[in-house]
Amino acid sequence: NAGVTQTPKFQVLKTGQSMTLQCAQDMNHEYMSWYRQDPGMGLRLIHYSVGAGITDQGEVPNGYNVSRSTTEDFPLRLLSAAPSQTSVYFCASRPPGQVRGYTFGSGTRLTVV
Amino acid sequence: DQQVKQNSPSLSVQEGRISILNCDYTNSMFDYFLWYKKYPAEGPTFLISISSIKDKNEDGRFTVFLNKSAKHLSLHIVPSQPGDSAVYFCAASHGGTSYGKLTFGQGTILTVHP
Repeated sequence: NAGVTQTPKFQVLKTGQSMTLQCAQDMNHEYMSWYRQDPGMGLRLIHYSVGAGITDQGEVPNGYNVSRSTTEDFPLRLLSAAPSQTSVYFCASRPPGQVRGYTFGSGTRLTVV
Repeated sequence: DQQVKQNSPSLSVQEGRISILNCDYTNSMFDYFLWYKKYPAEGPTFLISISSIKDKNEDGRFTVFLNKSAKHLSLHIVPSQPGDSAVYFCAASHGGTSYGKLTFGQGTILTVHP
């Protein structure tokens, strides 16, 4: 049971480049979320999904797109990378009705130069 | 506007003593509170939680206290162990249409010295 898998673990992008951060879970969780962690800011919600085909914006969605075509996968796309998007990104999933049941991936450290 | 605040960026304690981590919130709609522990290069892991209808919840060495009137919660670790050294995040959630979205505090770095 792998839990929540994020790839890549590290990435360096040039300003203006695009990329997709991958997130996959094998627990059949309906709810999936993307957070970014910045020093002094804690974790902030970017986008979330309550099931396949349903996504919504979180606290800091600008510059990011998501889609949820399957229960297992929830990729995060950076459309045109900016230095302000340098951060550590965490994907999380949980079953419905269990707020305490979030499982987090190990994170993707992204640097935009 | 930071709805969940952890005003102490760091805390240092001796092994065997009590660690007290604090968290304040401003949104009275929050009805569930959680503490997460995070080691370097890993994702946060759930530690303990409390519903707004309670004022205390214990799990082994970890106890969370909730003071709704003060919009304040705290995490007590007794006795503290070197393995407890990590970043601790307070998080809050509210029901309704929020689907259990979590709002996190900034985190407190706990260092337990042997």
